[in-house]
Amino acid sequence: GNSVTQMEGPVTLSEEAFLTINCTYTATGYPSLFWYVQYPGEGLQLLLKATKADDKGSNKGFEATYRKETTSFHLEKGSVQVSDSAVYFCALSDRGGNTPLVFGKGTRLSVIA
Amino acid sequence: NAGVTQTPKFRVLKTGQSMTLLCAQDMNHEYMYWYRQDPGMGLRLIHYSVGEGTTAKGEVPDGYNVSRLKKQNFLLGLESAAPSQTSVYFCASSSPPLGYGYTFGSGTRLTVV
Repeated sequence: GNSVTQMEGPVTLSEEAFLTINCTYTATGYPSLFWYVQYPGEGLQLLLKATKADDKGSNKGFEATYRKETTSFHLEKGSVQVSDSAVYFCALSDRGGNTPLVFGKGTRLSVIA
Repeated sequence: NAGVTQTPKFRVLKTGQSMTLLCAQDMNHEYMYWYRQDPGMGLRLIHYSVGEGTTAKGEVPDGYNVSRLKKQNFLLGLESAAPSQTSVYFCASSSPPLGYGYTFGSGTRLTVV
């Protein structure tokens, strides 16, 4: 079945540091890939997505590229801020969105000033 | 625009008690989902629905029942609560294709003592 593996957290960075959160997946066919963010006390929000190989999703300074050859969708940001402190989830679904999202276990990011 | 609303936000139950969690969405989405979030486990799918009157089991359905009598509502029931059901429960909705991802509610924190 489909699955998502994320790097273990927590990740602690200083403000303006470079962020990478690794995500790899196992899926049949050509899934769509997502990153969601959960701020403290809130539900998950869609951060970015990519629906086919070599697509790059981007939002709020975050980027992730759909790499079919390495089955990866790593999240990156060049300069993190304290306000980026949250839990980040990688997820996948089939191309048409007809099967429920499968989530990774989440990676907690703490950014200190 | 309310999006996805979950009630209640917090609840404490005694072992063996029953309760119903309500999820309501006002976006005319076809699909609705119930996930539970536990530390170190990410989000796990309990049940989902692809339309009014339909339901399907997810990854961890035991001990829960659901109903989707109206398109905008998705109810999650616990007939006899157990301490293992202590968790944060999230409802989400979507419409295929998943270009816009899921819209999540803010969660229900349930403690079973």
